[in-house]
Amino acid sequence: GQNIDQPTEMTATEGAIVQINCTYQTSGFNGLFWYQQHAGEAPTFLSYNVLDGLEEKGRFSSFLSRSKGYSYLLLKELQMKDSASYLCAVRAQEYGNKLVFGAGTILRVKS
Amino acid sequence: NAGVTQTPKFRILKIGQSMTLQCTQDMNHNYMYWYRQDPGMGLKLIYYSVGAGITDKGEVPNGYNVSRSTTEDFPLRLELAAPSQTSVYFCASSHLLTMGGETQYFGPGTRLLVL
Repeated sequence: GQNIDQPTEMTATEGAIVQINCTYQTSGFNGLFWYQQHAGEAPTFLSYNVLDGLEEKGRFSSFLSRSKGYSYLLLKELQMKDSASYLCAVRAQEYGNKLVFGAGTILRVKS
Repeated sequence: NAGVTQTPKFRILKIGQSMTLQCTQDMNHNYMYWYRQDPGMGLKLIYYSVGAGITDKGEVPNGYNVSRSTTEDFPLRLELAAPSQTSVYFCASSHLLTMGGETQYFGPGTRLLVL
């Protein structure tokens, strides 16, 4: 996606914690979304941040720093089923307030 | 609610053929979108609609057309299929475009192979 960067792949161990980073450059920022996409399936919504700080939702948390153009998704107590691609998407006035997606980070959880 | 449904699930086309990818949502959402996803790439917006009778181009509209005659349906038309259109196509819908934490709900996708 336009100026949205995520690592291509990550590997972590079952039960561990993993942090997936997303950096972006845009004008008129209006929200950052994280989606989970299992192989061969549709993306499903995980989290939304528009203000700075941490949003916690069970084992998943998402953090945003607007001044740094930075977000991360934190997954705790990793399970094998968390193996998936994690997509960062930014909504901004520059994009006509539509979502622009990063290329996604493939997370592999090993036992 | 069935959510967002797409047909077909998979299709093989010959170069130059045409087809329509169907998308229906039963959540009474105003906004609907068509994306394509190529391997290792993020979702690219093809077209979107903010309501019945209104459509607009996204990032990669060339080679595609859409219509929105009802709130529920948002078909995507390929007139002259090209190998570059081999991709997975996702339809999505949402309630609000610009405000709040509205999320997009995605259909299961249509895998298209153009040979």
